[in-house]
Amino acid sequence: GAGVSQSPSNKVTEKGKDVELRCDPISGHTALYWYRQRLGQGLEFLIYFQGNSAPDKSGLPSDRFSAERTGESVSTLTIQRTQQEDSAVYLCASSLGSSDYGYTFGSGTRLTVV
Amino acid sequence: LAKTTQPISMDSYEGQEVNITCSHNNIATNDYITWYQQFPSQGPRFIIQGYKTKVTNEVASLFIPADRKSSTLSLPRVSLSDTAVYYCLVGDWGTDKLIFGTGTRLQVFP
Repeated sequence: GAGVSQSPSNKVTEKGKDVELRCDPISGHTALYWYRQRLGQGLEFLIYFQGNSAPDKSGLPSDRFSAERTGESVSTLTIQRTQQEDSAVYLCASSLGSSDYGYTFGSGTRLTVV
Repeated sequence: LAKTTQPISMDSYEGQEVNITCSHNNIATNDYITWYQQFPSQGPRFIIQGYKTKVTNEVASLFIPADRKSSTLSLPRVSLSDTAVYYCLVGDWGTDKLIFGTGTRLQVFP
C-alpha cells in the first residue's frame, strides 16, 4: 500500500482481556517498529524488526507484551491481561532500514482499557 | 545512541521564522540528525535529515555546525498549521532504531 496501515484505529477493552494490534508496513520496507505514546507524552520504543534478524525487544515493558512479524510483511503486537496503564496510542512505523531514509508512521491504534 | 536536548515548548506568530535548536554533545561519527513533526492524533512525520553543514527542502532547513554537537531546525514563515510537536533524533538508522525524546511543542498564534 501507499502508507503504513494499522488496525483497529480504536480499541476499547476490559481490564484483563488480551488484545491484538495489527500493522501493515509499506511494501519492501525491511524494518518495522512499534512505539507506545501515552497522552501528552513522547514516543516510547517497544520493539524493532529488521529483515530476518532476531527482533530487538529491549523496549517491551513486561512479559505481557509480545510481537511477531511474518517475513517482511504484517506485524502483530499482542498485549495479554491488559491493565489500565496500557491505555495509549500504539504506533507502528516502517523503513527501508538504511541511514538515508526516514521512518513512515501509521496513524496508530488508540487503546483504552476500562 | 546520542542523547538529545531541546526546549520543551516555543511560541511564535504567523509569518515569523522559527528556529528550534537541539543539543547532541555525544553524537557519533556514523550518526545522522533527523527531525520529525507530530500533529495531534497522528503519527510523527519525517521532516528533514542531515549529516553536516546545511540541508534544505520544501518544508524546512537544517543547520549543522562543523562539530555536529548541535543542530537547528528552521521553519520559514510559520502558519497556524505548523503548530505541532517537533522531535530531534540522532542515530545510525541503518543499524538502530529511533529513540524519541519529549520533543518541542511549537504553538503558532495568529
